Amino acid sequence: NAGVMQNPRHLVRRRGQEARLRCSPMKGHSHVYWYRQLPEEGLKFMVYLQKENIIDESGMPKERFSAEFPKEGPSILRIQQVVRGDSAAYFCASSPLGNEKLFFGSGTQLSVL
Amino acid sequence: RKEVEQDPGPFNVPEGATVAFNCTYSNSASQSFFWYRQDCRKEPKLLMSVYSSGNEDGRFTAQLNRASQYISLLIRDSKLSDSATYLCVVRYGSSNTGKLIFGQGTTLQVKP
Repeated sequence: NAGVMQNPRHLVRRRGQEARLRCSPMKGHSHVYWYRQLPEEGLKFMVYLQKENIIDESGMPKERFSAEFPKEGPSILRIQQVVRGDSAAYFCASSPLGNEKLFFGSGTQLSVL
Repeated sequence: RKEVEQDPGPFNVPEGATVAFNCTYSNSASQSFFWYRQDCRKEPKLLMSVYSSGNEDGRFTAQLNRASQYISLLIRDSKLSDSATYLCVVRYGSSNTGKLIFGQGTTLQVKP
């Protein structure tokens, strides 16, 4: 049973470009979480999704950021018109329905030049 | 006030020492609590859940005080391999679909 898969591991973008981060949850997991970790800081909650449904997006910036978890395929975190302040590690985690434990992917390190 | 608050440390202890970390949370309706471990900013991994009556897993003991909204983690007989950042995690609210909020972490360095 493969773990949570995130890709790419490293993503470099220039200011103004778009960044797409992908997350494939563990088999059988229907809930996905996205977290952001800035240098020297803790993990900040961004969004919590179920298949085709956003459960809680209270941690998402109001502009430029969006997330989806379609019926088929991975969850996508999309950042439009990236700025230097978006540079961070973005971690995805999944959990089975009703289970409280999170299983994390290895993260995507986004660097904005 | 932060939703989950931890002393960032670092805690520098010799091998074999006993060390305790504390965590406070702001949402009194929260029902689920965990400790995760993060090594060198890699992906966090679940260390243990925290139960109302307190629970132990080998050298690790977790305690919950609902009245004070306080969680603790005790590590006995510290090993070099225990060096890591320990993250206190609280499920927001009473629902089992509430978001999981992480504290900023407490860094432990175990020295030979």
